[in-house]
Amino acid sequence: DARVTQTPRHKVTEMGQEVTMRCQPILGHNTVFWYRQTMMQGLELLAYFRNRAPLDDSGMPKDRFSAEMPDATLATLKIQPSEPRDSAVYFCASGLGGTGANVLTFGAGSRLTVL
Amino acid sequence: AQSVSQHNHHVILSEAASLELGCNYSYGGTVNLFWYVQYPGQHLQLLLKYFSGDPLVKGIKGFEAEFIKSKFSFNLRKPSVQWSDTAEYFCAVIPITFSGGYNKLIFGAGTRLAVHP
Repeated sequence: DARVTQTPRHKVTEMGQEVTMRCQPILGHNTVFWYRQTMMQGLELLAYFRNRAPLDDSGMPKDRFSAEMPDATLATLKIQPSEPRDSAVYFCASGLGGTGANVLTFGAGSRLTVL
Repeated sequence: AQSVSQHNHHVILSEAASLELGCNYSYGGTVNLFWYVQYPGQHLQLLLKYFSGDPLVKGIKGFEAEFIKSKFSFNLRKPSVQWSDTAEYFCAVIPITFSGGYNKLIFGAGTRLAVHP
């Protein structure tokens, strides 16, 4: 089975530290999404890439979050500096983009705890 | 703004009971519809999807969903639940636009289902 691979699976850090989460999309998929899941807010879309180009990052706090795709096999989500309210599970998902039929495959998530 | 509403936040059932989870969306145009399931401690997995055609869609593990366009609904059903169905269920919608922009997958808040033996 093709999988979306996310690292790290768990991260505990102190407030103010930089956190980088990585995602390897399924080979051949041209869309990548970053979602954040919390009990209070549910699933929030943070960023969306198609063919490595960022198309929408309106859901992302711009002052501390950044998302990039240095190449087709790697997407990164960086938080600098991290804050306790950033504690959440961050999911990456990939799919074949277009104007519809966008079935996403989700990674296992990165659980972030900021103390 | 486009949104997805899941009316039940928590549902508790006994095994063999029937299940129906409500999902409504706010968008008057063409949509792609999905139900995803998240088992405890795991990632989201696709349960079923609707793009076009027969509005009654069958998914994995005995789940089905019915698209009722006039009601903007896509309710999930299962005739007889099992303990292993304990999970969180997310309805999701892609409002299809043809303006050249991308089509965003919008999730509902989720419904936590607990099935007791």
